[in-house]
Amino acid sequence: DIQMTQSPSSLSASVGDRVTITCRASQDINKYLNWYQQKPGKVPKVLIYDASKLETGVPSRFSGSGSGTDFTFTISSLQPEDIGTYYCEQHDPGVTFGPGTKVNI
Amino acid sequence: EVQAVESGGGLVKPGGSLRLSCAASGFIFSNAWMNWVRQAPGKGLEWVGRIKSKTDGGTTDYAAPVKGRFTISRDDSKNTLYLQMNSLKTEDTAVYYCTPQPFDSRIYWGQGTLVTVST
Repeated sequence: DIQMTQSPSSLSASVGDRVTITCRASQDINKYLNWYQQKPGKVPKVLIYDASKLETGVPSRFSGSGSGTDFTFTISSLQPEDIGTYYCEQHDPGVTFGPGTKVNI
Repeated sequence: EVQAVESGGGLVKPGGSLRLSCAASGFIFSNAWMNWVRQAPGKGLEWVGRIKSKTDGGTTDYAAPVKGRFTISRDDSKNTLYLQMNSLKTEDTAVYYCTPQPFDSRIYWGQGTLVTVST
């Protein structure tokens, strides 16, 4: 089974800061990677799919990059409403979620 | 708008069984791969399993912790997904989300239903 790791596990940043989260797969997953945001008490929501494609309606301050085993998720200018936990997810083969990164202001 | 509404959660004793249902709408259900994902209290997301569309074989895959105990099925005539859970353990306690993949790899989320396994 493919294992996913994320770093850091949590971070605290100021409004306007650039925030970067990394996700690593235990084997090559091409670009089969999505990123989800889960705000406190809410259900997760897809932000980025296939490593770098922005979901419709998601602000452009969110972006993703990478392929193979190493991926990066970036918030270019952190906003107060971005507080929550971010998960990467690989989907070939099967589905595996990363352990999550908790983002605080 | 993609929608998924789960039902059937509740309190069950260890070793017991429960069947969850998910009524889906807003997309062509028969074409969609459908997943179940769970989240234990205060923990991260854990994929439970999925069923592919019939045109893609209708096959199922399961995560190791539930394989042999959980069964996913679908009724395309009713736009409904099911999760039959047998031999439940305390560690199966979680919110269970029905998560359609109607277009591509993107997973969409229902509101979830809480399953509590406890004496």
